[in-house]
Amino acid sequence: DTAVSQTPKYLVTQMGNDKSIKCEQNLGHDTMYWYKQDSKKFLKIMFSYNNKELIINETVPNRFSPKSPDKAHLNLHINSLELGDSAVYFCASSRPGRTGELFFGEGSRLTVL
Amino acid sequence: DAKTTQPPSMDCAEGRAANLPCNHSTISGNEYVYWYRQIHSQGPQYIIHGLKNNETNEMASLIITEDRKSSTLILPHATLRDTAVYYCIVRQNNNDMRFGAGTRLTVKP
Repeated sequence: DTAVSQTPKYLVTQMGNDKSIKCEQNLGHDTMYWYKQDSKKFLKIMFSYNNKELIINETVPNRFSPKSPDKAHLNLHINSLELGDSAVYFCASSRPGRTGELFFGEGSRLTVL
Repeated sequence: DAKTTQPPSMDCAEGRAANLPCNHSTISGNEYVYWYRQIHSQGPQYIIHGLKNNETNEMASLIITEDRKSSTLILPHATLRDTAVYYCIVRQNNNDMRFGAGTRLTVKP
């Protein structure tokens, strides 16, 4: 069983479109994250949710809107896609507390043309 | 931004120990040191973490200096499959895990 699963794995779309990436974890974790890894391979935290509550919201354009319908899901919706949004997006989850390690999904590669 | 400093790249011979250093001179008393690795473009994988004592698990050992300002991740017998980018992270609070540039380890036959 995949612990943290993301769909789709690949997404190619045109500038200006709206797209969503879904994430589900079956680990019973309370905390979920979205990270972005750009072409330079830097992995940047975007959002963190704890029990459906937004905890971390980095300096991310408000075209990006995370949605957590329940604590097992954290979806990422992106409006008006731009070329610079092309990246690999990773979802992760963890137990609460400073000793809970992150479990990452396999990533969703978004290409904006 | 990440609070750690790592060499950008290292090589290691297959079968030998790989020792990956990390400086975290501004670490606070209650912050943990975490290590992850990312193989090719897969999702990062947790390796080990520690507070002040040395730690060992089936993947690696973590040696933290007494002043906690630096640590070393040790892969005792590196294999080709250990080629990856290794990230040393100081965990700032419950939900904040920030990655730096990491060390690209290349294990050579």
